[in-house]
Amino acid sequence: DGGITQSPKYLFRKEGQNVTLSCEQNLNHDAMYWYRQDPGQGLRLIYYSQIVNDFQKGDIAEGYSVSREKKESFPLTVTSAQKNPTAFYLCASNDRGKNEKLFFGSGTQLSVL
Amino acid sequence: QKEVEQNSGPLSVPEGAIASLNCTYSDRGSQSFFWYRQYSGKSPELIMFIYSNGDKEDGRFTAQLNKASQYVSLLIRDSQPSDSATYLCAVSGSGYSTLTFGKGTMLLVSP
Repeated sequence: DGGITQSPKYLFRKEGQNVTLSCEQNLNHDAMYWYRQDPGQGLRLIYYSQIVNDFQKGDIAEGYSVSREKKESFPLTVTSAQKNPTAFYLCASNDRGKNEKLFFGSGTQLSVL
Repeated sequence: QKEVEQNSGPLSVPEGAIASLNCTYSDRGSQSFFWYRQYSGKSPELIMFIYSNGDKEDGRFTAQLNKASQYVSLLIRDSQPSDSATYLCAVSGSGYSTLTFGKGTMLLVSP
């Protein structure tokens, strides 16, 4: 089955720790995205990548980093510089140049210990 | 800064009624409009998209777009308790651009 796989489903971060959220897709989509969702809030864009080895900052990139070494993979690192990391993180993908329909993974809930 | 506004709700309707969800957007150049349904603790699921002025129907769902008024709506006919969820409106600009999401409207359908 084609889709987007995020792992882990739940993640806990200690003070001063970097953590990495995994996102893998087998939809052959060019573009991949990371969104953050806080309770009662909409989705806010962290980073996106339209092509391998290239990525752009979204609206709230501070305290986060990404890489895009393979078309299928777009991991997100939440660094210790992100002081309020508790949120629901969603990875998404779509065909670049198409009609921007986004397909989402199942999400990772990150909490601070 | 592109903005997408939705009433947070909750919007409460009885089973079998029509639910009307509304969304306004600030960027006049916006080209594509999407409605996502999100159940609590789950990821958003695309249910409708519309690009042209007018109505687009798919089963019990109808999306309506009025670009002159910068307004897009979602009608759900014969509402079911399983429709109870948060509905997110998302808008993209011209050319290649990322989606801007509203904060969502919570819909509650009572049996």
